Amino acid sequence: QKEVEQDPGPLSVPEGAIVSLNCTYSNSAFQYFMWYRQYSRKGPELLMYTYSSGNKEDGRFTAQVDKSSKYISLFIRDSQPSDSATYLCAMSGNTDKLIFGTGTRLQVFP
Amino acid sequence: DADVTQTPRNRITKTGKRIMLECSQTKGHDRMYWYRQDPGLGLRLIYYSFDVKDINKGEISDGYSVSRQAQAKFSLSLESAIPNQTALYFCATSASVGTGARETQYFGPGTRLLVL
Repeated sequence: QKEVEQDPGPLSVPEGAIVSLNCTYSNSAFQYFMWYRQYSRKGPELLMYTYSSGNKEDGRFTAQVDKSSKYISLFIRDSQPSDSATYLCAMSGNTDKLIFGTGTRLQVFP
Repeated sequence: DADVTQTPRNRITKTGKRIMLECSQTKGHDRMYWYRQDPGLGLRLIYYSFDVKDINKGEISDGYSVSRQAQAKFSLSLESAIPNQTALYFCATSASVGTGARETQYFGPGTRLLVL
């Protein structure tokens, strides 16, 4: 079993839709949780960073962490075609190394 | 200018050849990483370095070596390339101090490598 599981998609939604992206994990030592966005032929860029449980909001993006269920989510409101990308979850504990999910490919069509 | 640069951006080589991928950063970070990305497998850590004198193996270091020439430069070598090393390679950096700094990694644009 992988430490981090992420549905690869692809996920195709119309412009304006609410998108929910999710990851599950098995290592209870993880306490730092991140979402990276990767456009085609580009490197991943940090989108959201959350420490421990709870919610964090930044514009149209909301990150949620539920440590009791070992489940994290990224919500995108009012999705735009420019949000079309692969979204990678990543997490770490005390090892200073990130463990990445395999990424979910999202396509937002006009 | 980009904070993390990688050269070359694309490379085609033959089985058995030695190849070096280079990474430079202007972010002033002390930590640097090399990952490979494969479809369905995500990003996997090859090597990482927390400072010039500190080099560590990652999840998949076999067949690779690295050199940290300076704080800003971290090179990845494939001593004898094989076809299953065909992948997208990323360099990343992070700081060692500051809230969330160690976990926030900044990635270069990647090197697309094809081994024939």
